[in-house]
Amino acid sequence: DAKTTQPTSMDCAEGRAANLPCNHSTISGNEYVYWYRQIHSQGPQYIIHGLKNNETNEMASLIITEDRKSSTLILPHATLRDTAVYYCIVRVGGTGFQKLVFGTGTRLLVSP
Amino acid sequence: DTGVSQDPRHKITKRGQNVTFRCDPISEHNRLYWYRQTLGQGPEFLTYFQNEAQLEKSRLLSDRFSAERPKGSFSTLEIQRTEQGDSAMYLCASSLGGVGAREQYFGPGTRLTVT
Repeated sequence: DAKTTQPTSMDCAEGRAANLPCNHSTISGNEYVYWYRQIHSQGPQYIIHGLKNNETNEMASLIITEDRKSSTLILPHATLRDTAVYYCIVRVGGTGFQKLVFGTGTRLLVSP
Repeated sequence: DTGVSQDPRHKITKRGQNVTFRCDPISEHNRLYWYRQTLGQGPEFLTYFQNEAQLEKSRLLSDRFSAERPKGSFSTLEIQRTEQGDSAMYLCASSLGGVGAREQYFGPGTRLTVT
């Protein structure tokens, strides 16, 4: 699975959009981009994933560049409860074994 | 609440004792994963089940660790002769099988402290 690079930490004001970047320059054509987050002392929570196209769900939007070498997770109106560590992961889809390889993620702090 | 439950949530044990953790996945999920997370690090993969078959094991899973998933439902992770280095959060996740990208849903974890 391709390696990802994320900033160690980011700050965001409550109510503003939080834009979390991720670089995955060695991503292969059949690898998906996944985002998970982990709020303190809880298990990781799935947010969103995508292959080529931009994706949106009730939690966030995922913007993937045309060359797929980077992506941005957007939380449109950050709240205090969005304070967490955000993990960007790339991995192959398909029918087989699909472990997640977590890095150290981006620690997002949302402040009033 | 993702629908994945783990028991116990916290376990304190003395070095050398055996411990067992349980994971109940989402009922229709045939894939089950165990991960371990130490302080300040992201979760690390330990082992994977598809139905009742244990198909992958990380080299992190020493001989003191054993996992089972009888009948493809709940799973247990046992650590024998615990060491202080085993202190960590043990996370269970489940997902559907089949083609394509499948998101994993994590339980709340079991925090193990070995004294």
